[in-house]
Amino acid sequence: GENVEQHPSTLSVQEGDSAVIKCTYSDSASNYFPWYKQELGKRPQLIIDIRSNVGEKKDQRIAVTLNKTAKHFSLHITETQPEDSAVYFCAATPRNNYGQNFVFGPGTRLSVLP
Amino acid sequence: GAGVSQSPRYKVAKRGQDVALRCDPISGHVSLFWYQQALGQGPEFLTYFQNEAQLDKSGLPSDRFFAERPEGSVSTLKIQRTQQEDSAVYLCASSLAPGGTTEAFFGQGTRLTVV
Repeated sequence: GENVEQHPSTLSVQEGDSAVIKCTYSDSASNYFPWYKQELGKRPQLIIDIRSNVGEKKDQRIAVTLNKTAKHFSLHITETQPEDSAVYFCAATPRNNYGQNFVFGPGTRLSVLP
Repeated sequence: GAGVSQSPRYKVAKRGQDVALRCDPISGHVSLFWYQQALGQGPEFLTYFQNEAQLDKSGLPSDRFFAERPEGSVSTLKIQRTQQEDSAVYLCASSLAPGGTTEAFFGQGTRLTVV
């Protein structure tokens, strides 16, 4: 089945610096790649997503890049702020006999230090 | 409602007890997913419904786990004879389109503690 790896598991940056989180996936049929942010005790919330027909997508301080050939995608956060501190999960959507599902990476705990 | 709603938010069960967790998805959403999230881990897939049909239950860890969505809306995840390793947060998510093709909206989860 699909295997999603995510690195690093923890990341600390100074406020104002950039943060980059990388994920790899194994199923070349995956075609939708969302990123979720989960604050402590709260539900995961979508922050950005990308489809396999696009190489890059940007939304203000957040961007995602996708390399289909290498089967990896990355989250970029610029000008980090303390409120960016959370756990971030990437996901891929492999196909199986039943359609598509979300397979999540293990998460990256981002700490933005003031 | 405005979002996905799960109840109860917290559940403490004695080992061997049966529990039922409820999920109210966003109205009109075709897809409904259940995930199990252990502390410090990513959500792990349990099962997927498209309307009332349970299309994928490959993630259910044992036959003690059972899920249903009889009318294609509200879903219930039932765990029989709970064990300590069942302790986790159970997340429900719904999405408008079939399968994992559009944004999944998550509920706040039910934190199950088996003592």
